Amino acid sequence: AQSVTQLGSHVSVSEGALVLLRCNYSSSVPPYLFWYVQYPNQGLQLLLKYTSAATLVKGINGFEAEFKKSETSFHLTKPSAHMSDAAEYFCAVPASNTGNQFYFGTGTSLTVIP
Amino acid sequence: DSGVTQTPKHLITATGQRVTLRCSPRSGDLSVYWYQQSLDQGLQFLIQYYNGEERAKGNILERFSAQQFPDLHSELNLSSLELGDSALYFCASSRGLAGRYEQYFGPGTRLTVT
Repeated sequence: AQSVTQLGSHVSVSEGALVLLRCNYSSSVPPYLFWYVQYPNQGLQLLLKYTSAATLVKGINGFEAEFKKSETSFHLTKPSAHMSDAAEYFCAVPASNTGNQFYFGTGTSLTVIP
Repeated sequence: DSGVTQTPKHLITATGQRVTLRCSPRSGDLSVYWYQQSLDQGLQFLIQYYNGEERAKGNILERFSAQQFPDLHSELNLSSLELGDSALYFCASSRGLAGRYEQYFGPGTRLTVT
């Protein structure tokens, strides 16, 4: 079955610095991958979605992610962090057999230091 | 606003009690998912319904049950509540069954068992 691993449960960056949040998928190539963001006291919101049409995916709020098959990775980046980016970020992949169930990573909490 | 509504927003109850959480999916979405989010367990998939039928089951306890009604709203029933059931419960909906459909999350119900 598919799974994702998020390295780093907590990441801190200075305002204006590069944001890099890591996500690795299990060995078989997934047809779809997702990044979600959860702001405090809110539900999860879709940031972006990989569909194999393009390896570089642009999402909302200036975020993007690059699918790298050779590294089994789908890392999330943003060139310049804003205070409003402070949130929990989750990588997710559909289950490989049925696609009905999503597996979410354990999440990465992003802190932006002014 | 994701278009997914959940009621109630907060629920405080005692151990041994039974509660019902309600979810209304986005207009046109046929699939509903339930998740439990706690600090120690992260985001756990509980169960999924599609057009009234159960389609996938995750880490759902026997004390918990769910259903999806003809108007596509869903209810999650939690009985014989224990302190450890205190968590955020999210509902999500998607257009279809396949993994290509992203999930849209509601704002959640925060359950506190005392």
